[in-house]
Parts: sequence; C-alpha cells; structure tokens
Amino acid sequence: DQQVKQNSPSLSVQEGRISILNCDYTNSMFDYFLWYKKYPAEGPTFLISISSIKDKNEDGRFTVFLNKSAKHLSLHIVPSQPGDSAVYFCAARKGDDMRFGAGTRLTVKP
Amino acid sequence: DTEVTQTPKHLVMGMTNKKSLKCEQHMGHRAMYWYKQKAKKPPELMFVYSYEKLSINESVPSRFSPECPNSSLLNLHLHALQPEDSALYLCASSQFRGLDEKLFFGSGTQLSVL
Repeated sequence: DQQVKQNSPSLSVQEGRISILNCDYTNSMFDYFLWYKKYPAEGPTFLISISSIKDKNEDGRFTVFLNKSAKHLSLHIVPSQPGDSAVYFCAARKGDDMRFGAGTRLTVKP
Repeated sequence: DTEVTQTPKHLVMGMTNKKSLKCEQHMGHRAMYWYKQKAKKPPELMFVYSYEKLSINESVPSRFSPECPNSSLLNLHLHALQPEDSALYLCASSQFRGLDEKLFFGSGTQLSVL
C-alpha cells in the first residue's frame, strides 16, 4: 500500500525555467512533509520540508506548497539549473514513521 | 559532524553466509532507521529504533536482525538471505524531538546476494 505517490517518474526542463514536482499522499495522519534529492551511489539528501500547519515554505530557489484538503504537495525550483538534475523523493512523516514516494528523475537541460 | 557513516559500501554474499551492516552517527540523534531500496523504487522502511529500543518493525523477515548497541550505532545482521534481498540498504537518523524532523541518510550499502 503506497501511502505516498509520485506519479511522474521523470521530468525534463530547460535551464532557467521552473521545475514543478508533484506528490500525493493518502494518510491524513502525516504531519510533516519533506523533499529529498538523490544522486547515484549516494544516500538521499534533505532539501526542504513543511509542517502540516503551513501551506508554503520557501528556501532560496526551492519552494514547497502543501494542500492538505487535496492531500497534495509540490516542489517548485526556479530558476532550474543543470546541477539540480537528480532524483527527487517526496516523504511524509508521522512520529517515527516516514514513508517515501517512488521518486521523480529531474533532468535540467543547458 | 553531520554525517551518517555506513560500512561496508558494497557487499557480496552467498545465501549461506552471515554478515553485518554497520551504521554510525555522532549527532546525538535518538532515532535510527534502516531502509531498503531496490532500483527505481522508493526507500522502504524496515526498522526504527527510538532511544535504543525497537519501535517499528515493518514485518521484515527474520533473516534480517537489527541491533542498536548504543545511541550512536545501528547494525543489521544478515543470515540466509535470498537473491531477491539484493538492494541498497540505507541507514538514517533523526532528532527524536523538535519540529526539525528531517532524516540524515548515509550513503548506503549496496548488497548483492548470490
């Protein structure tokens, strides 16, 4: 039972444009949401997070939006850079339990 | 020190072998995790230790045996594994309390079972 879903396995964007990565979840008990970035042969690296009491969190080029009623969150990267090319995992947490989506491979073309 | 260190980075073992994966962190984190990730799949939660006690076991087969000797160390003992257990095994840690509840991951152990 996949509680966190990323329905787009891949996304290709031109350098300088906006990248939008989407994530849906089914468990309304999750109260903390995170995005991780992963390069090959490395562990996931934390990128940005948002608490369920907020609807937006911004950190430099990265912004995460949360729509609790739709159980949906998104990550916006603007402007996108070639170094952003990686696999992005959405994660949702309740207490000790953290679940991940299947990931979206972002490719930013120069 | 914001690192989670996993050893070994690569491991090849036969189905009759006994081996152990090791994980270490010195950030004072009180929760430690084992995840399993197969290619093109999400990391799947296996075990969680909170304050050195097992708090979550996601119905993992007994051929995987976790151990938390102290708050800085987490082991995963492997015995009689199957080829389908071949995967990337990720260790992570987090602060048990506080709003900043992100996990810090190690680089993983790539396990191949022959």
